[in-house]
Amino acid sequence: NAGVTQTPKFQVLKTGQSMTLQCAQDMNHEYMSWYRQDPGMGLRLIHYSVGAGITDQGEVPNGYNVSRSTTEDFPLRLLSAAPSQTSVYFCASSSGVGSPLHFGNGTRLTVT
Amino acid sequence: AQTVTQSQPEMSVQEAETVTLSCTYDTSESDYYLFWYKQPPSRQMILVIRQEAYKQQNATENRFSVNFQKAAKSFSLKISDSQLGDAAMYFCAYSRYGGATNKLIFGTGTLLAVQP
Repeated sequence: NAGVTQTPKFQVLKTGQSMTLQCAQDMNHEYMSWYRQDPGMGLRLIHYSVGAGITDQGEVPNGYNVSRSTTEDFPLRLLSAAPSQTSVYFCASSSGVGSPLHFGNGTRLTVT
Repeated sequence: AQTVTQSQPEMSVQEAETVTLSCTYDTSESDYYLFWYKQPPSRQMILVIRQEAYKQQNATENRFSVNFQKAAKSFSLKISDSQLGDAAMYFCAYSRYGGATNKLIFGTGTLLAVQP
């Protein structure tokens, strides 16, 4: 029973590098989302998707790109990493409106 | 826009005692959902409790219960018989009722320490 799987767990990037955070869920959830967690700021929504082929911006989308080609996968791409993107990133999915989010275990990203 | 406020950055409780974490929110909606999530040092986000605003009855899950005051827009979490394993960051969250998305808005969290 995998749930939501995020990789990698840790990553260090240099400024200007790009990378993709992977997220996969095996619960057949239509709704998936990415959050970033920063000290004193809680979790903030980056991007979300209500189904394959449909994505939209959340509260802090700048510098990030997403796509949703399948129900299972929702990767997050950092186009040109900046120190301000140092954070913990969570992928989450749910079965519908009002349902609890199921979270992955997070990725700690450091940009130097 | 909806906002969620947790005014207690840190709290401490003795083992076996009861503690209450505060959460207030701002919304013009009449129907919505509220959640408490626990984040232990492992970083995992764990659902503690869920409340539907259109239900008057306060949600409970074993030692965890909420005091939902809709008119005051308050949603506090009570932890009874606190255990060492309850030490964690706790986040309050809000989501709208209806529509196609399930965007949760989180508070800034309360770090709970449990003293033996």
